[in-house]
Amino acid sequence: KAGVTQTPRYLIKTRGQQVTLSCSPISGHRSVSWYQQTPGQGLQFLFEYFSETQRNKGNFPGRFSGRQFSNSRSEMNVSTLELGDSALYLCASSRGTSGSTYEQYFGPGTRLTVT
Amino acid sequence: GIQVEQSPPDLILQEGANSTLRCNFSDSVNNLQWFHQNPWGQLINLFYIPSGTKQNGRLSATTVATERYSLLYISSSQTTDSGVYFCAVIMYSGGGADGLTFGKGTHLIIQP
Repeated sequence: KAGVTQTPRYLIKTRGQQVTLSCSPISGHRSVSWYQQTPGQGLQFLFEYFSETQRNKGNFPGRFSGRQFSNSRSEMNVSTLELGDSALYLCASSRGTSGSTYEQYFGPGTRLTVT
Repeated sequence: GIQVEQSPPDLILQEGANSTLRCNFSDSVNNLQWFHQNPWGQLINLFYIPSGTKQNGRLSATTVATERYSLLYISSSQTTDSGVYFCAVIMYSGGGADGLTFGKGTHLIIQP
């Protein structure tokens, strides 16, 4: 079974631009979560989607948004990029209706650099 | 929110040595996972272990939920074991959960 895939793997953007990252979960998994990893803050939860609905959201500004499609693929968008948004963005998928209580599997990440 | 503390923050060992990594958490949890982050940043699943003991080759883990800690054991370390090990938990509260809460990790270096 194929793992979680994320595209693109690397991205360089300029401050003020917006960016869209994509995540395809493991086949059959319906929950997709997004995390941000930075050297200063570590790994932090952004949001979780299940059946095209955002179920939970971490403590991030409204510039960070996401969506999920009917095939469970998910995208996250960051608008008006700031230098501090430079980070590794990780996507995780899990199965079941109570996705957060099941094992989460991570993709390889998208490394975003904002200049 | 729930707090996760990992110790030690850094660990340097010779190849062949054994090691124990600890994860303390501040409240009851529904999910606890151990990960190894490879040099390219991907989180590799090691154990899903909200309670009890599991073993996988040279690695084993124990979670004592009532005392709010988990241990990851690595035996006969190899240089490929180097990297950062993360513990992550979820406390599910009926209305949902805020995703995995990660500790700051243990940076393990295995020297040949």
